[in-house]
Amino acid sequence: TQLLEQSPQFLSIQEGENLTVYCNSSSVFSSLQWYRQEPGEGPVLLVTVVTGGEVKKLKRLTFQFGDARKDSSLHITAAQPGDTGLYLCAGEAGNTGKLIFGQGTTLQVKP
Amino acid sequence: KAGVTQTPRYLIKTRGQQVTLSCSPISGHRSVSWYQQTPGQGLQFLFEYFSETQRNKGNFPGRFSGRQFSNSRSEMNVSTLELGDSALYLCASSLAVTGAGETQYFGPGTRLLVL
Repeated sequence: TQLLEQSPQFLSIQEGENLTVYCNSSSVFSSLQWYRQEPGEGPVLLVTVVTGGEVKKLKRLTFQFGDARKDSSLHITAAQPGDTGLYLCAGEAGNTGKLIFGQGTTLQVKP
Repeated sequence: KAGVTQTPRYLIKTRGQQVTLSCSPISGHRSVSWYQQTPGQGLQFLFEYFSETQRNKGNFPGRFSGRQFSNSRSEMNVSTLELGDSALYLCASSLAVTGAGETQYFGPGTRLLVL
């Protein structure tokens, strides 16, 4: 069974701080996605990484896919209260289309 | 373009009852996937439908079933409800079958409480 371990599970920081969320597995994924979910809403896709070693940037968010395609990280620079939410990583098992989600990281950014 | 819509948004049922949840995908999307989200287990894949055919299934008991209609709308049914079925049920749609990074768009979910 493929599993994705996310860490940390909870993160409470002050506005302006930097943070990194990790998503690790012992399995290889053909692609990995990061989502953000706010209360009362469904997850919203932030980015998809496909190639080992790939780095993608979305404003203050930087996503990296590990060389072996088993892990990924999300780095937020100068966090803002609007970044508050649940961050989920999800890996595609083979090319089956089935998404396996990590447990999520709840981020709170205090003003 | 309207997003994925799910009805109802909230539902309270008692143990042993059955429930049907509905999902309308984004116009033009032909794939619909269902997920269960709980605090303990996180987001877990239930099943995916494409062109009225179940393409993938997760590790859930047979009490969980679904179907897709010719207009791509989908329903999922849970029979003989158990307390542990209390969860947020999310539907996601995509243009084509999921895979190779195909983007899924999630609806707001149906929150089911089983008493």
